[in-house]
Amino acid sequence: DTAVSQTPKYLVTQMGNDKSIKCEQNLGHDTMYWYKQDSKKFLKIMFSYNNKELIINETVPNRFSPKSPDKAHLNLHINSLELGDSAVYFCASSQTANTGELFFGEGSRLTVL
Amino acid sequence: GQQVMQIPQYQHVQEGEDFTTYCNSSTTLSNIQWYKQRPGGHPVFLIQLVKSGEVKKQKRLTFQFGEAKKNSSLHITATQTTDVGTYFCAGSSNDYKLSFGAGTTVTVRA
Repeated sequence: DTAVSQTPKYLVTQMGNDKSIKCEQNLGHDTMYWYKQDSKKFLKIMFSYNNKELIINETVPNRFSPKSPDKAHLNLHINSLELGDSAVYFCASSQTANTGELFFGEGSRLTVL
Repeated sequence: GQQVMQIPQYQHVQEGEDFTTYCNSSTTLSNIQWYKQRPGGHPVFLIQLVKSGEVKKQKRLTFQFGEAKKNSSLHITATQTTDVGTYFCAGSSNDYKLSFGAGTTVTVRA
C-alpha cells in the first residue's frame, strides 16, 4: 500500500480553469503538507495542517485553498489557474508537526496551457 | 526568514570518484535533514542530524552537522550510477517549517 498517495498524477488544463489535487496518507500521521516544486527543482512549502488545523500558510495567492476534512486527507484546490502555476505539487506527511522525516507522495504534475 | 543555501547546484562526477555537497543556513538550526530525489521521482528521506558536530554514515554516504548547527555536508565516496539524482538538505528552526535548499543535481559518467 502506498503510504502517501495523491491524485491525479498528471493534470493538463487551460488558463482560467479550476482544478483540485487530492492527497491521502495511511501512516496515521498528524501533519500533512503541500509543497510546490518548480522547473528548477526548488521545493517550496505552501501549507501545512496539523490534526486538521492550518499551521503553516506561506505567501501563496489566495487562489490556492487547502482543505483537510480529516487528518488523513489534505486536498488542494486552485482557482483561476495561471501559467505560472505549472509545477509539480507534492503532498507530504510527518508524524507530528515538528519531528522527523517527511514522507512524500509521488507528485502531481500540473501543466497550465 | 530562514534560508538554506546549498552548493553546488550541479555535480558531474566520474564513476568511482568522491564528491561533497554543502548546505548553509542563515540561522541556527534545530535539526537538518537530507533527501534524495531520483529523476522523475519524489524526495525520499535519507537522514536527520540533530546534535552539534554530529556525523552519521550510511554505507558510502557521510553526513555532517556543523558545530554551530548552521551548516551541513553530504559526502559520497566511490560514486556509482545509482547515486544519480538530486540531493536536498532541509533545515528547521523552531517554527515547524522545514526549509529546503535548492538541491545538488548529480550526474555520473560511467
